[in-house]
Amino acid sequence: DAGVIQSPRHEVTEMGQEVTLRCKPISGHDYLFWYRQTMMRGLELLIYFNNNVPIDDSGMPEDRFSAKMPNASFSTLKIQPSEPRDSAVYFCASRGSYDGTEAFFGQGTRLTVV
Amino acid sequence: GDSVTQMEGPVTLSEEACLTINCTYTATGYPSLFWYVQYPGEGLQLLLKATKADDKGSNKGFEATYRKETTSFHLEKGSVQVSDSAVYFCALQTGANNLFFGTGTRLTVIP
Repeated sequence: DAGVIQSPRHEVTEMGQEVTLRCKPISGHDYLFWYRQTMMRGLELLIYFNNNVPIDDSGMPEDRFSAKMPNASFSTLKIQPSEPRDSAVYFCASRGSYDGTEAFFGQGTRLTVV
Repeated sequence: GDSVTQMEGPVTLSEEACLTINCTYTATGYPSLFWYVQYPGEGLQLLLKATKADDKGSNKGFEATYRKETTSFHLEKGSVQVSDSAVYFCALQTGANNLFFGTGTRLTVIP
């Protein structure tokens, strides 16, 4: 398996534009997590899914952020409209369902909003 | 709620020095504990884990023991190398299947 695949690796956009980040989890994993990493706040959990269903979205900063998982092999995180304070590295991770199994991370999307 | 408290960094060591990065946790139930490592420009990857009390996780010369009595999972290595320079994250997984991370500790090893 190629691991968790995120795209794009880098995104530069202007304030007010819509941004869509994409993630393909490892096949067979039924948990998918979206994290945001910044120097100020470290690694924050935004939302996670189990079997394509959102379980906890309490970390989503505000209504400008939305996430979907239309099927087991694809998820998106959308920011509309984007703001400079959204600049961060966004990670997607997936894991299997057994207790104690580790999460596997993608390489991240570095988002810069100017 | 469930949480992880990790030693603040950054930590700078000379090659072959001993490393300890402290991690304590608060959790209901019986969590699984992890150390992840993040090399520059990459995502996090698992370094080691322990799923029950008194378990010792080990990998690449790093070790950590799940201590229920002190609610700790400290990361140790007897002799660090320049290639160990990275950010290290302690993490906790609860029965609700959420995964909580500490703030990360940046380690720099100088030759």
